[in-house]
Amino acid sequence: AQKVTQAQTEISVVEKEDVTLDCVYETRDTTYYLFWYKQPPSGELVFLIRRNSFDEQNEISGRYSWNFQKSTSSFNFTITASQVVDSAVYFCALSEYNTGNQFYFGTGTSLTVIP
Amino acid sequence: NAGVTQTPKFRILKIGQSMTLQCTQDMNHNYMYWYRQDPGMGLKLIYYSVGAGITDKGEVPNGYNVSRSTTEDFPLRLELAAPSQTSVYFCASSYPPDRSYYSGANVLTFGAGSRLTVL
Repeated sequence: AQKVTQAQTEISVVEKEDVTLDCVYETRDTTYYLFWYKQPPSGELVFLIRRNSFDEQNEISGRYSWNFQKSTSSFNFTITASQVVDSAVYFCALSEYNTGNQFYFGTGTSLTVIP
Repeated sequence: NAGVTQTPKFRILKIGQSMTLQCTQDMNHNYMYWYRQDPGMGLKLIYYSVGAGITDKGEVPNGYNVSRSTTEDFPLRLELAAPSQTSVYFCASSYPPDRSYYSGANVLTFGAGSRLTVL
């Protein structure tokens, strides 16, 4: 079974629109970590955020915000006022404290921001 | 501080050939990983290591081997290359996880990737 599901394969938005990327995870571990990584067209993988399972505070960093809800096992990512530079593939990932720190990645959401 | 360095960046192999993808990190990370990325499939874990001398299989280990003789290096060996191994390979490293909220532990730092084509 998929531990991390990103149901949106591709999303296109017009510049300055807001967009939310969905991530649903599955774990039985009580201590786990959730991540978002960005992969721009150049191919490298860039860390965006890490969240611990015992901290459900939402986080905002500039135009980026993250909504972590344990009740729905979701860790959604919103980009406000999108820009062309936001065009990339975004991966959500899960790491479980008690399973040797293996990371489980979703299949990614490809975001295209149209100028 | 170079981070995670992978070589080569590109390689074309013939079916049945062997090769080694090199990975080295200078952050003194205990944990190292090899992932492969196929189009539309996300990243799949091939092998990982929690320290020198210790390696373990991930989701897709068949056709690959690894070793971890030092903290810095984690080479990935492809034996008898097959077209199914055509992929982009990423090496990554991290500290072990801990329960500290403010810790930067277990954030993966990735190499730039190695694109391998088997014909």
